[in-house]
Amino acid sequence: SQQGEEDPQALSIQEGENATMNCSYKTSINNLQWYRQNSGRGLVHLILIRSNEREKHSGRLRVTLDTSKKSSSLLITASRAADTASYFCATGRSGTYKYIFGTGTRLKVLA
Amino acid sequence: GAGVSQTPSNKVTEKGKYVELRCDPISGHTALYWYRQSLGQGPEFLIYFQGTGAADDSGLPNDRFFAVRPEGSVSTLKIQRTERGDSAVYLCASSLAGGMNTEAFFGQGTRLTVV
Repeated sequence: SQQGEEDPQALSIQEGENATMNCSYKTSINNLQWYRQNSGRGLVHLILIRSNEREKHSGRLRVTLDTSKKSSSLLITASRAADTASYFCATGRSGTYKYIFGTGTRLKVLA
Repeated sequence: GAGVSQTPSNKVTEKGKYVELRCDPISGHTALYWYRQSLGQGPEFLIYFQGTGAADDSGLPNDRFFAVRPEGSVSTLKIQRTERGDSAVYLCASSLAGGMNTEAFFGQGTRLTVV
C-alpha cells in the first residue's frame, strides 16, 4: 500500500519557471524524504526533513513540512531541462523502519 | 563500492522459473531495503534487513518471495515459480543505520520481465 499522494500527477513548465509539487500522507511520521527518478530506474535522494522541522533548503530545492496538515511541498526554483524526472516523497513512519512512497509527480521542463 | 550495486540490471525469465536478484549495499551500511516498482507507480516496500536479520518482511506479497542477507552485507531476493505479475523493477537501498532520520541510497534496480 502507498501512504503518500503527490499532487499534481504531472506538471509541465518552461525552463526558468518554478515547479511546486505537493505530498500528502496519512499517519504520523518521523521524517519525510524527497527523491528524483529518471527513466524509471534508480532513485536519487534529494532532501530529508524531520518531523520537528518546518523548512529545509538545498541549492535550488526548498522543502516544507506541515505535520498538522500531514503534507509537504517541494519547490524547485529556476527549473532546468535536466530537472525533468519523476519526483517522489517517502515517509518514515513512527515505530517502523520502512519508507512508504507516494505515487509520484512527473515533471517535464521544456527548454 | 561507491554506491548500491544491483545485478543483473535486466532479467527475462519464463513463467514458472526461479530467479535470484542480487544487491551489494554501500560498505558499512547495516540497513538494507528491497522495493518493487511497477510502471507508473511509486516503489512498494518488500522487506527490510538490519544486519543479517529481516526486521520487517511485511511487504513480501506471498511465500514465493524470499530474501536473505547471510553475512549482513550482500542480499539476494529470491522469487520462486515466477508469474507474469511479478514483472517490475526491483530496487535495493541501503542506509547507515536504518530508518529514523537516515537517508536511504538506492541502486539502479533490476528490471524483471516474466514472459
